[in-house]
Amino acid sequence: DAGVIQSPRHEVTEMGQEVTLRCKPISGHNSLFWYRQTMMRGLELLIYFNNNVPIDDSGMPEDRFSAKMPNASFSTLKIQPSEPRDSAVYFCASSLGRVQGGYTFGSGTRLTVV
Amino acid sequence: QKEVEQNSGPLSVPEGAIASLNCTYSDRGSQSFFWYRQYSGKSPELIMFIYSNGDKEDGRFTAQLNKASQYVSLLIRDSQPSDSATYLCAYGGATNKLIFGTGTLLAVQP
Repeated sequence: DAGVIQSPRHEVTEMGQEVTLRCKPISGHNSLFWYRQTMMRGLELLIYFNNNVPIDDSGMPEDRFSAKMPNASFSTLKIQPSEPRDSAVYFCASSLGRVQGGYTFGSGTRLTVV
Repeated sequence: QKEVEQNSGPLSVPEGAIASLNCTYSDRGSQSFFWYRQYSGKSPELIMFIYSNGDKEDGRFTAQLNKASQYVSLLIRDSQPSDSATYLCAYGGATNKLIFGTGTLLAVQP
């Protein structure tokens, strides 16, 4: 199993540009989560999907952020327009069924907005 | 009050000693508890989970849960320099989502 695959690994963009982060969950996992990690705030849940349906997006910081999961094997997190305060590591994670077994995280995307 | 509280550390222990990492949580409805290890520049990886009050052992790791006190801990016996990392505590409730603490940095001195 290739695990959770995220791309790109690193992204440097200018303020105001659109940024799209991509995630492929583990095959067979039916829940997908987007987290953001910063030194100050730690790991924050942005949004999660169950069976491709957004269940809880209360962590999405503002309208500049949007996420989609068009099918069971692909999800995107988009920031438009990007701002310097969006600089962080963005992790995607997936799980099978209920949370009891924990998540498997992808390698993350380090986003720098200059 | 933060949902999950952890001492940020660093917690420094000598090689071979027991490292004790602690976590408190605010949601009494929490059902499952997790410890993740995160090396610098890497993603979190699951090392232990516990659902019931008491202790759960896995190799050199022991998780302890006290729901009445809303307290969960992780003991690492015979600490090794390779255990040096940030340890994240997390809890899950009735939904699928996990809430994480900000982590404790552990440094094992050779």
